Amino acid sequence: GENVEQHPSTLSVQEGDSAVIKCTYSDSASNYFPWYKQELGKRPQLIIDIRSNVGEKKDQRIAVTLNKTAKHFSLHITETQPEDSAVYFCAASTGGGNKLTFGTGTQLKVEL
Amino acid sequence: DAGVTQSPTHLIKTRGQHVTLRCSPISGHKSVSWYQQVLGQGPQFIFQYYEKEERGRGNFPDRFSARQFPNYSSELNVNALLLGDSALYLCASSLSAASISPLHFGNGTRLTVT
Repeated sequence: GENVEQHPSTLSVQEGDSAVIKCTYSDSASNYFPWYKQELGKRPQLIIDIRSNVGEKKDQRIAVTLNKTAKHFSLHITETQPEDSAVYFCAASTGGGNKLTFGTGTQLKVEL
Repeated sequence: DAGVTQSPTHLIKTRGQHVTLRCSPISGHKSVSWYQQVLGQGPQFIFQYYEKEERGRGNFPDRFSARQFPNYSSELNVNALLLGDSALYLCASSLSAASISPLHFGNGTRLTVT
């Protein structure tokens, strides 16, 4: 089955700096890669996703890149703000987007 | 529009008991999936249902079962509870099972087994 590895497990940045979280996946058939943000005690919220036929996608301060050859994808957050502090999960899926395999999460802390 | 709603929000059960968790998808969404999230880990896929049929099952024992109703709501049942079943159970809905369709999660049910 699919295996998703995520790094780093914790990330601390200064407000205004950029943050990068990286994930690798094992199943070359995976074609959908969402990112979720989960604040303490709350539900995972979809923040951005990318499909395998696209190399990069951007939404305001958030961007995701995908390298199918290397089987890795990354989340980039620019101009970080304290409200970006949360746990971020990457995920991968083959076929539809319902059976997601999640990474182990990255605790992002944005310090003032 | 209401998002995915789950009930109850919290539940405490004793080993050996059974539990039923409930989920209502976003209006118009026909696919419901269940995930288990143990503290400090990412969610793990348990089941997917679409049009009342099971479309996928994760690596969970037969003590776990689910069903979907004609109104697309869903129940997750867990029998013979073990301490290791303590987790946040997340329900997620999406428009379709046949094509890539973003998954939207509910707030979850926090199950504690003592």
